[in-house]
Amino acid sequence: GAVVSQHPSWVICKSGTSVKIECRSLDFQATTMFWYRQFPKQSLMLMATSNEGSKATYEQGVEKDKFLINHASLTLSTLTVTSAHPEDSSFYICSASNIKGLGGTDTQYFGPGTRLTVL
Amino acid sequence: GESVGLHLPTLSVQEGDNSIINCAYSNSASDYFIWYKQESGKGPQFIIDIRSNMDKRQGQRVTVLLNKTVKHLSLQIAATQPGDSAVYFCAENEGGKLIFGQGTELSVKP
Repeated sequence: GAVVSQHPSWVICKSGTSVKIECRSLDFQATTMFWYRQFPKQSLMLMATSNEGSKATYEQGVEKDKFLINHASLTLSTLTVTSAHPEDSSFYICSASNIKGLGGTDTQYFGPGTRLTVL
Repeated sequence: GESVGLHLPTLSVQEGDNSIINCAYSNSASDYFIWYKQESGKGPQFIIDIRSNMDKRQGQRVTVLLNKTVKHLSLQIAATQPGDSAVYFCAENEGGKLIFGQGTELSVKP
């Protein structure tokens, strides 16, 4: 159980184009999904928190107009990188949460990640 | 605090030995901590978690120790195997958000 998928697993695009990444919780309903970005040899950095049916909450320094997040259902959140540039090349990872773990804290389960390369 | 850095610390161990991976966290108010394993090109995989009212928790071949006095967390892996080679991250829960540590790359020599 608690499987999260992402699509696509990798994408290469030209500078200036937009790319959409999907995150799905396959066997549970996720009221909250999170989007992270990870550069090579670095840790995961939280970009935004997405709650179903409401606007995403972005972390400081993350441009909400550049990274559009939509969480239209309890099993799907999308991240659209608009007007992508080479510096947006990174590993994008989502996680989904609605499972009560130890002591009642929601556990986050991570997707496999999407490798974005902008030429 | 947030993780910043361009170089991952590396731990190299012999197959069969025990591994100890350390992590310092910054927020004394954090009440929930998780260890994740990340293999190359994949998402993080949950290993074990611990709440702040505990100082030790054991799983299968893994043990997490929490020292709140010095804000230190460690992950012990018993009888380390080649399949344990990966990057290991600790994460602290701050108000429902996970703040990840720097990460440690574990390399297991056969």
